[in-house]
Amino acid sequence: EAGVVQSPRYKIIEKKQPVAFWCNPISGHNTLYWYLQNLGQGPELLIRYENEEAVDDSQLPKDRFSAERLKGVDSTLKIQPAELGDSAVYLCASSPLSDLLGGTGELFFGEGSRLTVL
Amino acid sequence: ELKVEQNPLFLSMQEGKNYTIYCNYSTTSDRLYWYRQDPGKSLESLFVLLSNGAVKQEGRLMASLDTKARLSTLHITAAVHDLSATYFCAVDSFWGGSEKLVFGKGTKLTVNP
Repeated sequence: EAGVVQSPRYKIIEKKQPVAFWCNPISGHNTLYWYLQNLGQGPELLIRYENEEAVDDSQLPKDRFSAERLKGVDSTLKIQPAELGDSAVYLCASSPLSDLLGGTGELFFGEGSRLTVL
Repeated sequence: ELKVEQNPLFLSMQEGKNYTIYCNYSTTSDRLYWYRQDPGKSLESLFVLLSNGAVKQEGRLMASLDTKARLSTLHITAAVHDLSATYFCAVDSFWGGSEKLVFGKGTKLTVNP
């Protein structure tokens, strides 16, 4: 079974440029997450989707970040414009069913997209 | 708001030795997860602990959960070099009507020959 697929793996841009990351979750997984991981830190949630609905985007900096999950499968996370402090790894994760809906809550992560803003 | 603390943050140990990583959290939760991350790689799920007193073992790693003490431990038995990685615990949080996993900062484990 294929895991969570993310692209690009690496991206280097200059500040004020836009950038987009793409995620394809494990087939059949209804819940999709975007996490931010700074160097030496644990992941922090940016946004969570149940199917195509963003059910928790309270940690997403909405002035420059946006996300979408059209048709409830693939998702895109966009930053516009990027700032120096956005340099980090952006992780996508999926789970078959959130634990609010009776699942175990276990997340399956992709390999991440490493962003460097110069 | 839920806080998750791991200690130690850095651990250097010799092969063959035993050690324990601790994960404390600040508010009530009965679901805790351990993940492993190798440099430049994704997080790999190790253990899912879903109730008080849960104990899971896989090879040289054993995880337990005490929800009353708000504490989980990850015990390493007779460490080998292949266990070198960063280990994260994550706790299920229900905050403001929303559910999410809150991660600790991770414990970077180095096992020396």
